[in-house]
Amino acid sequence: ELKVEQNPLFLSMQEGKNYTIYCNYSTTSDRLYWYRQDPGKSLESLFVLLSNGAVKQEGRLMASLDTKARLSTLHITAAVHDLSATYFCAVDWNQAGTALIFGKGTTLSVSS
Amino acid sequence: GAVVSQHPSRVICKSGTSVKIECRSLDFQATTMFWYRQFPKQSLMLMATSNEGSKATYEQGVEKDKFLINHASLTLSTLTVTSAHPEDSSFYICSAEGQGRNTEAFFGQGTRLTVV
Repeated sequence: ELKVEQNPLFLSMQEGKNYTIYCNYSTTSDRLYWYRQDPGKSLESLFVLLSNGAVKQEGRLMASLDTKARLSTLHITAAVHDLSATYFCAVDWNQAGTALIFGKGTTLSVSS
Repeated sequence: GAVVSQHPSRVICKSGTSVKIECRSLDFQATTMFWYRQFPKQSLMLMATSNEGSKATYEQGVEKDKFLINHASLTLSTLTVTSAHPEDSSFYICSAEGQGRNTEAFFGQGTRLTVV
C-alpha cells in the first residue's frame, strides 16, 4: 500500500523566514506533485516533479525530488502572508491514469 | 493548463435524496477521470477511477452502489450520490487526465455537498 507522509502538519511562520516541508512516500513512483489549497477552494497545481533530482522554483517556493530516498521537499523562502494555505504533496499511484495518493497536508500560517 | 469544470459548486439536499455532480473537461478529451472526497480539515481521498466507456474502478471502502459513476463521453463524468445521508456531506473534487501517459491530471473546482 502506498503511503505518503507529510511533515509538519501545521506550520506557523513569521514573515521573512525560511522553512521546508517534507514529503516521504513508501513505494516507487515516477511522479510527485505539490498543490496548494485555500480554504473552501479546490487544488492549485504548484509543481510536477518527474525525475530524480528534479528541482523546480516558482517565486518563493522551490520543490525538489529524491526518488532514491523517496523524499520531496517544498522550501519556502522569505515567507509572506499570501503564502498562508494548506500544501499537499501527492504521488502517482502508477495505475492506469494519474490516480493520486495525497499526504495529509501542511497548513501554513504566515504572520507579520 | 487545461480546464476542468465541475458543477454544481455547492448543493444542499435532504437525507434520502440523490445528487448528481458533473465533471467536464472543457478543452481536451479526458480518457480517465478521478473522483476524490475531502472531509473538513482532512486530505483528499481517491474514491474511484472512471474510464470512458467502461465501468469505474472503486477504491477499497467506497460503496459502488451508493456512489454511481458514469463516464459516457470523453468530456464528461458524473458522480451520483444516491440516498444521501448527513455523513456523505463532504467536498467532492474531480480530476481529468488527457490522452497519453505523460499528462498531468487537472482538478475541477470542487462541489460542496451538504446533506440535511
